[in-house]
Amino acid sequence: EVQLLEWGGGLVQPGGSLRLSCEASGFTFSNYAMGWVRQAPGKGLEWVSSISYDGAVAYDADSVKGRFFSSRDNYKNTLFLQINNLRADDTALYYCAKISTVSANFDYWGQGTLVTVSS
Amino acid sequence: DIQMTQSPSTLSASVGDRVTITCRASQRISNWLAWYQQKPGKAPKLLIYQASSLESGVPSRFSGSGSGTEFTLTISSLQPDDFATYYCQHYNSYSRTFGQGTKVEV
Repeated sequence: EVQLLEWGGGLVQPGGSLRLSCEASGFTFSNYAMGWVRQAPGKGLEWVSSISYDGAVAYDADSVKGRFFSSRDNYKNTLFLQINNLRADDTALYYCAKISTVSANFDYWGQGTLVTVSS
Repeated sequence: DIQMTQSPSTLSASVGDRVTITCRASQRISNWLAWYQQKPGKAPKLLIYQASSLESGVPSRFSGSGSGTEFTLTISSLQPDDFATYYCQHYNSYSRTFGQGTKVEV
């Protein structure tokens, strides 16, 4: 069974940093691209970042470019999102998700980790 | 940047209704469009990809159509489990853009 477990969220002051983690199990993690999607409270979905199966290539949304960085450790089956210079509008539930090689879309999602940016 | 606009934002329907949600892209995107369903407190679920391909395990009452700039998600006979919010999403090799969502309610 595919499982994605995120952690690392929390309350952080504006300008602060966090590192989100997502541990994968139930599939060969190193074979799949992965991504991050966030959802502000009561709002819609926003794609944040995607990273290739080997971590060689990552793409980020314009809203986070230069502040958020995706990486992965294929030996530890773990995806990371380093988030820097946080702003109030970064407050959201952050989901990690697996990208299907068939559909090229997010076919499995974690339960999300909440990031709250507030002073 | 490509913008995705869904209509309506909210849709009131009853069990058994045929429901159609529209998604428009700000420029032509071929058929690089997916649909997701999200229920309160849950992660989204992929329903449709490449505009009209049904994801494995998704009931056949869900269907997608369209290409270019206009797309539709149709639920042929709404079931109690289908009351949720639906999102379209454009995708390519380097970015993804979601629509703002359509809430299907009683």
